[in-house]
Amino acid sequence: QQQVRQSPQSLTVWEGGTTVLTCSYEDSTFNYFPWYQQFPGEGPALLISILSVSDKKEDGRFTTFFNKREKKLSLHIIDSQPGDSATYFCAASAYSNYQLIWGSGTKLIIKP
Amino acid sequence: DPKIIQKPKYLVAVTGSEKILICEQYLGHNAMYWYRQSAKKPLEFMFSYSYQKLMDNQTASSRFQPQSSKKNHLDLQITALKPDDSATYFCASSQGDSGNTLYFGEGSRLIVV
Repeated sequence: QQQVRQSPQSLTVWEGGTTVLTCSYEDSTFNYFPWYQQFPGEGPALLISILSVSDKKEDGRFTTFFNKREKKLSLHIIDSQPGDSATYFCAASAYSNYQLIWGSGTKLIIKP
Repeated sequence: DPKIIQKPKYLVAVTGSEKILICEQYLGHNAMYWYRQSAKKPLEFMFSYSYQKLMDNQTASSRFQPQSSKKNHLDLQITALKPDDSATYFCASSQGDSGNTLYFGEGSRLIVV
């Protein structure tokens, strides 16, 4: 079944802390996993992505981890900043199929 | 400068009326999409076009009709509007139609009263 489950639905973290968002999926053909960040009043924008051949990808304070065996991925934000407050969506697709399957999103609030 | 222009940004419509949401992209992409976002469904895929041809339609209702007059245009016509159609409609584009990065516009927020 093509589903991507995302948790938590909302999360509050103190400034400077580490944020962890998680997603799980069921379709074993999925091999492309992007994370999108959406600020209020804007469209989502690609934050970071990973292919199933990797287990970790880092971009500054943002790192995504992929566990193929457990069909799970996570997004870690270190030294979380108030400017990171946004809604984060994970998604998945089989690279040969353009259609992304989206998670339900996590609304993140970073408190100063 | 925004590379994907959506018009209007906000609109209020009366139940039963018809509206057209405009989308133009200046990224040189050949694939374009419509998504809907509401409290019920955070991000819902509606349509995808590639080279002005419909690739996928996940919208059950025929009241939603995409229209592509040019390669970089994908408008969305919504007829017989219902209050349940109230949502923000996002246009997006990508370079190819296979796992490439989606670029989203700022959205058109529709309220149906």
